[in-house]
Amino acid sequence: DAGVIQSPRHEVTEMGQEVTLRCKPISGHNSLFWYRQTMMRGLELLIYFNNNVPIDDSGMPEDRFSAKMPNASFSTLKIQPSEPRDSAVYFCASRMDRGLNEKLFFGSGTQLSVL
Amino acid sequence: GIQVEQSPPDLILQEGANSTLRCNFSDSVNNLQWFHQNPWGQLINLFYIPSGTKQNGRLSATTVATERYSLLYISSSQTTDSGVYFCAGDRGSTLGRLYFGRGTQLTVWP
Repeated sequence: DAGVIQSPRHEVTEMGQEVTLRCKPISGHNSLFWYRQTMMRGLELLIYFNNNVPIDDSGMPEDRFSAKMPNASFSTLKIQPSEPRDSAVYFCASRMDRGLNEKLFFGSGTQLSVL
Repeated sequence: GIQVEQSPPDLILQEGANSTLRCNFSDSVNNLQWFHQNPWGQLINLFYIPSGTKQNGRLSATTVATERYSLLYISSSQTTDSGVYFCAGDRGSTLGRLYFGRGTQLTVWP
């Protein structure tokens, strides 16, 4: 398996623009997570899905952030409008949850810079 | 949520040295895992270790769930071991979110 695939690897945009980050989880995994990593706050869970349904979105900073998972093999995280404080590395991760949770696997991340 | 405390926050070693990283949890956790973030930012899952001891080459991990801590041992460290080591755990419910520590920054010098 190719692992968790994220795109783009790097995104530079101007304040106010819409940003869309994409993620393809490992085939067969039924849980997907979006994390944000900054020096100040470390790794923060933004939202996670199980069987394509959002389970916990309490970490989503504000209404400018939205996430979707239209099917088992694709998810997006959208920021509209973007702000400089959104600059961070955004990771997507997936795992197979079947009663006993198992290993979590991360994608390579998207480095977002909002100017 | 669960508070995860990792120690030490920073560690500098000479190549060949051994080290022990610790992770304490404020509450009972399940599904404890250790990750390594390399200098290029990739997060690699090292161990899934809810209890007991596991070994993988020069790395081993021990979790004492009843006392809410886990240890990661690195023996004969190499420069490629440099990076940040994270531990994480969840409450063990079927749909559990993982709580991460702030990490231990390890630097191994040749």
